[in-house]
Amino acid sequence: GEDVEQSLFLSVREGDSSVINCTYTDSSSTYLYWYKQEPGAGLQLLTYIFSNMDMKQDQRLTVLLNKKDKHLSLRIADTQTGDSAIYFCAESPSGGTSYGKLTFGQGTILTVHP
Amino acid sequence: NAGVTQTPKFQVLKTGQSMTLQCAQDMNHEYMSWYRQDPGMGLRLIHYSVGAGITDQGEVPNGYNVSRSTTEDFPLRLLSAAPSQTSVYFCASSRPNQPQHFGDGTRLSIL
Repeated sequence: GEDVEQSLFLSVREGDSSVINCTYTDSSSTYLYWYKQEPGAGLQLLTYIFSNMDMKQDQRLTVLLNKKDKHLSLRIADTQTGDSAIYFCAESPSGGTSYGKLTFGQGTILTVHP
Repeated sequence: NAGVTQTPKFQVLKTGQSMTLQCAQDMNHEYMSWYRQDPGMGLRLIHYSVGAGITDQGEVPNGYNVSRSTTEDFPLRLLSAAPSQTSVYFCASSRPNQPQHFGDGTRLSIL
């Protein structure tokens, strides 16, 4: 079945860039997502990329997709303490009714130090 | 717009008890899903629905039932709670080809 892998921890200094990496196995993935979860809260959609794109930029966020290597990354520029959270990578398979299903990675805990 | 509303926010049950976790959305989304979140395991899909009257199993369906009698509501039932079902449960909804919107979660402890 589908599998999504992320590194568990990332620690950066305030003002630096953060890069969170994700690998996936399903070559038929249609959409790839990044969600943010703050302590005790639900999941907030940060950004997503369609599988026929290589890059998407949205303010401080840059998503890079390497379909050949099935590798997705999220870069956060000028990381702030408010960016400290768990970041989840998720993929959605192709095909009509499959859009109701997401496969998530384990989540990367980002800690931003002042 | 309330978005996706989950109730209750917290619940403690005894082993063997039954309960229903409620999920409602006011965005007229066709797709609704239930996930559980356990430490170090991300979110895993329990059941999902692509429209009223249609449900299907996800990755971890055992011990849970769902039904979808209306577009707005997608309740998750635990028939006989077990300690292994202690988790945080998230409901999500979306339109086709659109990202899922998540509720704030229900934190469930089973003693």
